Amino acid sequence: DAMVIQNPRYQVTQFGKPVTLSCSQTLNHNVMYWYQQKSSQAPKLLFHYYDKDFNNEADTPDNFQSRRPNTSFCFLDIRSPGLGDAAMYLCATSSVSYNEQFFGPGTRLTVL
Amino acid sequence: QKEVEQDPGPLSVPEGAIVSLNCTYSNSAFQYFMWYRQYSRKGPELLMYTYSSGNKEDGRFTAQVDKSSKYISLFIRDSQPSDSATYLCAMGDGNNRLAFGKGNQVVVIP
Repeated sequence: DAMVIQNPRYQVTQFGKPVTLSCSQTLNHNVMYWYQQKSSQAPKLLFHYYDKDFNNEADTPDNFQSRRPNTSFCFLDIRSPGLGDAAMYLCATSSVSYNEQFFGPGTRLTVL
Repeated sequence: QKEVEQDPGPLSVPEGAIVSLNCTYSNSAFQYFMWYRQYSRKGPELLMYTYSSGNKEDGRFTAQVDKSSKYISLFIRDSQPSDSATYLCAMGDGNNRLAFGKGNQVVVIP
């Protein structure tokens, strides 16, 4: 089945210790997104890639970076996680022709 | 005013009841409307997608869009305990970005 896969599902890191979350997709979609979702809140878009073009949201902290080495993979790097970065991180994809976004299962990040 | 308003209050209904959820929006550029279901600690799952005013049915689910009133609804008929989840409305203007509502937590009581 075509899908969006995120690894790891759960990540525990220490305050200030860099962490990388990964996302892969078999849908062959042009667009990949990273969202942050905190408890009882809507997903908040951090950035997205349209093919190789990177689009950062204006209010995304510099602490968050992303890489998309190829169509299938996208990474979220948090350079110096703070306690406020503890959240669910969601990867999503969409085709350029359609607007539905398909989400992965998420990575729950805990910062100690 | 937020782009998308969704009353986040939890909703408890008995099994078999009709669940009615709605969102309002302010941006006339929104042309695409979605409902996502999100189980606890999981990613959102696309339930319904529509781009025109009117009703769209899929099994027990009906999505309704009224562009003139900037109002969308989701109805779940014959609700089941497995429908217990958070339901998020989302809408887009075709520029690869979605605006989400805060979500409604629904509990279906057996």
